[in-house]
Amino acid sequence: NAGVTQTPKFRVLKTGQSMTLLCAQDMNHEYMYWYRQDPGMGLRLIHYSVGEGTTAKGEVPDGYNVSRLKKQNFLLGLESAAPSQTSVYFCASRDPGIDTQYFGPGTRLTVL
Amino acid sequence: EDKVVQSPLSLVVHEGDTVTLNCSYEVTNFRSLLWYKQEKKAPTFLFMLTSSGIEKKSGRLSSILDKKELFSILNITATQTGDSAVYLCAVMNAGGTSYGKLTFGQGTILTVHP
Repeated sequence: NAGVTQTPKFRVLKTGQSMTLLCAQDMNHEYMYWYRQDPGMGLRLIHYSVGEGTTAKGEVPDGYNVSRLKKQNFLLGLESAAPSQTSVYFCASRDPGIDTQYFGPGTRLTVL
Repeated sequence: EDKVVQSPLSLVVHEGDTVTLNCSYEVTNFRSLLWYKQEKKAPTFLFMLTSSGIEKKSGRLSSILDKKELFSILNITATQTGDSAVYLCAVMNAGGTSYGKLTFGQGTILTVHP
């Protein structure tokens, strides 16, 4: 089992460019999450999904969109990147009956 | 709004020392408290606590929860350089539309010198 994987690992964007981060999990988990991690601020929830075809906003959703067309994949989109979106992005997944979230290795995004 | 505060924010010790990391929380509908260790990359799960006063232990690490005073501690005895990491505390909300949402603290950066 690969667990939770994220693509790409690193990316540099210019202000205004768009991109999509891909998260894939092979554990058949229902719930998936996107977080961003900034220095001194822990992890903050961007969006989450409780099942295929469903998404919901987290703490810091502005500037991001998500889609969960397949159960194993959760996509995070930036339509028009801004320097404030420079961060490390983590995806996580879990089973509804188990509280432990399993994290991917992260994507380091820099917006110039 | 759910809130998790960890202290200290950073800690430098020498190998063999014992450390205590603190986590206090405010959550509208508490379900569980989780501790994670983060070394460079993805956070890895350490403990999940749901009941007060029951210690969870794994090797040199242990943790306990106090639901009356709304805090948890993570203890590491006989620290080693491999314990150097960021330790994250998170609380899960069980209520309504927040169900399953984890709120993280800022993390404690632990550095263990040889």
